[in-house]
Amino acid sequence: DIQMTQSPSTLSASVGDRVTITCRASQSISSWLAWYQQKPGKAPKLLIYKASSLESGVPSRFSGSGSGTEFTLTISSLQPDDFASYYCQQYKRYSATFGQGTKVEIK
Amino acid sequence: QVQLQESGPGLVEPSQTLSLTCTVSGGSISSGSYYWSWLRQPAGKGLEWIGRIDTSGSTNYNPSLKSRVSILVDTSKNQFSLKLGSVTAADTAVYYCARLTVLKGFDYWGQGTLVTVSS
Repeated sequence: DIQMTQSPSTLSASVGDRVTITCRASQSISSWLAWYQQKPGKAPKLLIYKASSLESGVPSRFSGSGSGTEFTLTISSLQPDDFASYYCQQYKRYSATFGQGTKVEIK
Repeated sequence: QVQLQESGPGLVEPSQTLSLTCTVSGGSISSGSYYWSWLRQPAGKGLEWIGRIDTSGSTNYNPSLKSRVSILVDTSKNQFSLKLGSVTAADTAVYYCARLTVLKGFDYWGQGTLVTVSS
């Protein structure tokens, strides 16, 4: 199984801050990585796919980078609507594994 | 716009079988190269992929659940379903159905349904 390790688990930040979340895979997944945003009581929402491609309708302040085993999600200027939990997910081959999540809180 | 909706009992007794159905609207479940998936999320915890099926009926399951899981598709009803056997309290979670694409990952999700395992 491919394990995904996400850090940090919690992040306190202010509106306007640049925020970076890291995700590490236990083996190479090429660029088969997606990032999701989840708000309380709601289903996850796809933000980034193929490591760095922005899903349609997602604000450009969100960006993704990386390949192989190391990946990052960056929010260039945190907005009030961005306080939520974020998950990375690998979809290589015939399985899917999520990171444990990062909760972005108001500082 | 594709929409997915989970349905099924919200309460299941321990040792019984959890059964859920996902109805797809806004498009045919048979069109395109998609995999139809089930995931779950215990309260306050992260997301766990349960398994997926394509419209030919080919399945892949999470190895940790494989012995208890079955996913089926009914293209005539535009639905796919989940059965999870021998449930315990540890299976209490919000269960989601979602569409999985080879390129993007999970691009469409249902709203989720809470299933509680309790007597």
